[in-house]
Amino acid sequence: EEQLVESGGTLVQPGGSLRLSCAASGFTFSRYWMHWVRQAPGKGLVWVSRINNDGSTTEYADSVKGRFTISRDNAKNTVYLQMNSLRAEDTAVYYCVRMLDSDYWGQGTLVTVSS
Amino acid sequence: DIVLTQSPDSLAVSLGERAAINCKSSQSVLSRSNTKNSLAWYQQKPGQPPRLLIYGPSTRETGVPDRFSGSGSGTDFTLTISSLQAEDVAVYYCQQYYSIPWTFGQGTKVEIK
Repeated sequence: EEQLVESGGTLVQPGGSLRLSCAASGFTFSRYWMHWVRQAPGKGLVWVSRINNDGSTTEYADSVKGRFTISRDNAKNTVYLQMNSLRAEDTAVYYCVRMLDSDYWGQGTLVTVSS
Repeated sequence: DIVLTQSPDSLAVSLGERAAINCKSSQSVLSRSNTKNSLAWYQQKPGQPPRLLIYGPSTRETGVPDRFSGSGSGTDFTLTISSLQAEDVAVYYCQQYYSIPWTFGQGTKVEIK
């Protein structure tokens, strides 16, 4: 059974850092581009970042560029999102997604940025 | 960035009736190379992650009931639910994957009248 399980979400102070992880199983992880999409409480979906299958290409939304870094470890079937200089507006559920290509979403992990 | 504007923001439809959601893009999402439109539709039920319904913009994802259909090209697209069922109550989003950053519409909430 295919699974994407996010972890690492928690309460963090403004200006702080956090690393989210997404563990994949049940499919050949190294074949797929992976994405992070976030959703603030009660709000819509926002695409955050993507990484190609071997990790050599990454792209970001302008709102996180220079603060967030996506990476992956294909040996561990895991994709990461390193988030630095966090702001209140980064508060959201963060979804790990195998987007469009046999589309599959994790259940999400909640990041709360607050003092 | 490509801006997607959905209309209406919400709609209430009787069971068995037709529901239609529009999505207008600020620029064309039609690829010249393969003549395909890079537009998808997602459904999100409360407390759940989104689910891909349609892409391309008229190809149903595996397992999606055929009462869901997508149409349109260029900048104007429509998601149609031909006969609304109780389980279709959800928020629906259009999304473009034509250019980075990928963007979503603001969402349309569908309820039962």
